[in-house]
Amino acid sequence: DSGVTQTPKHLITATGQRVTLRCSPRSGDLSVYWYQQSLDQGLQFLIQYYNGEERAKGNILERFSAQQFPDLHSELNLSSLELGDSALYFCASTGGPADTQYFGPGTRLTVL
Amino acid sequence: EDKVVQSPLSLVVHEGDTVTLNCSYEVTNFRSLLWYKQEKKAPTFLFMLTSSGIEKKSGRLSSILDKKELFSILNITATQTGDSAVYLCAASGANSKLTFGKGITLSVRP
Repeated sequence: DSGVTQTPKHLITATGQRVTLRCSPRSGDLSVYWYQQSLDQGLQFLIQYYNGEERAKGNILERFSAQQFPDLHSELNLSSLELGDSALYFCASTGGPADTQYFGPGTRLTVL
Repeated sequence: EDKVVQSPLSLVVHEGDTVTLNCSYEVTNFRSLLWYKQEKKAPTFLFMLTSSGIEKKSGRLSSILDKKELFSILNITATQTGDSAVYLCAASGANSKLTFGKGITLSVRP
């Protein structure tokens, strides 16, 4: 158990819908990272937040957005969902200058 | 664009064999190289390497980084069926952003 929690574990929804994925980092960690993992693309970095502020952006679609709240939990919002958005979404956290990222168990999103 | 390439893509060995997994990287503002093991769930951390030539070891696993040639290897000796997994290599660049390779699928047969 990495100490990073994610909810829900599974999500099944229809095209065009909007969903919110939630992540709570390890106690004391200020940085939260979101990743998408699909079979053909591997793990893709989406976005990073540090202490409530966006720090880095990766291959994140405009239909996707994220935020980190004062209690440091983060949410990833996915809208106008398409079939290709079906994937595992991981959240990871890290404490400070160290680069080791600890991953949550992931949310499996299925878009039908 | 940052890039991490792992090879081979997959590997099948028998218990007791030794395997070497390769990872090459091109990352702007490189900070560190990380190895993760992924079974049917989240990646779990194995090693973080920041200095060239210094081997990190954990049981039967070891890893080393060559910052001049921009690659790393992960060795597993005396493989066991429990080592079967996808091994991910990631390079950390600016803002600790990780760029992952596609992973190496290792299957260890009894």
